[in-house]
Amino acid sequence: GAVVSQHPSRVICKSGTSVKIECRSLDFQATTMFWYRQFPKQSLMLMATSNEGSKATYEQGVEKDKFLINHASLTLSTLTVTSAHPEDSSFYICSARVFGSLNTGELFFGEGSRLTVL
Amino acid sequence: GDSVTQMEGPVTLSEEAFLTINCTYTATGYPSLFWYVQYPGEGLQLLLKATKADDKGSNKGFEATYRKETTSFHLEKGSVQVSDSAVYFCAQTTGTYKYIFGTGTRLKVLA
Repeated sequence: GAVVSQHPSRVICKSGTSVKIECRSLDFQATTMFWYRQFPKQSLMLMATSNEGSKATYEQGVEKDKFLINHASLTLSTLTVTSAHPEDSSFYICSARVFGSLNTGELFFGEGSRLTVL
Repeated sequence: GDSVTQMEGPVTLSEEAFLTINCTYTATGYPSLFWYVQYPGEGLQLLLKATKADDKGSNKGFEATYRKETTSFHLEKGSVQVSDSAVYFCAQTTGTYKYIFGTGTRLKVLA
């Protein structure tokens, strides 16, 4: 099956710094990737839809200046948490769909990145 | 709007017990339905899926049947193992790019 790889898996940073998380589709081209945030013992919250070559589409309530998304190629999307604060600590997961899959398309998830802001 | 409702956990079972995790959905269209599993510290993996009414998805001993009349997609396994301990998410998509996930059900299997 399709493989999505996320890096880093864990990152600890100081408050006020920025952190970049990478999401790569290893064996397929992903024109669209999705970034989710997962709080402890809660479901996944869709943050934004990342489209290759265009601006990301953010969900209501998600600060686009806070969570910068770049999808510069068909295999790479990045999420940058800018000026991170402790409340940004969370598990961030990216996912992608294989191009061409429509109503039956499954999502392929990265391993997730746990961000801890001190 | 469209939604997915899962039974609240945690669910604690002894090894070899029968498992049912309930999932119901509301949708304006005809969704595809999925079960994803998340092991500790990892991302989500697709466990099984069904794309139309009466379809049965199955994998690793787990199965779920797409019931349109009851708008349900309950996950079952006849004999759970310790290695099945994880969080299980029910999800739907109606062909747009957006997926709707349930809140997840944590399963703990005791030896």
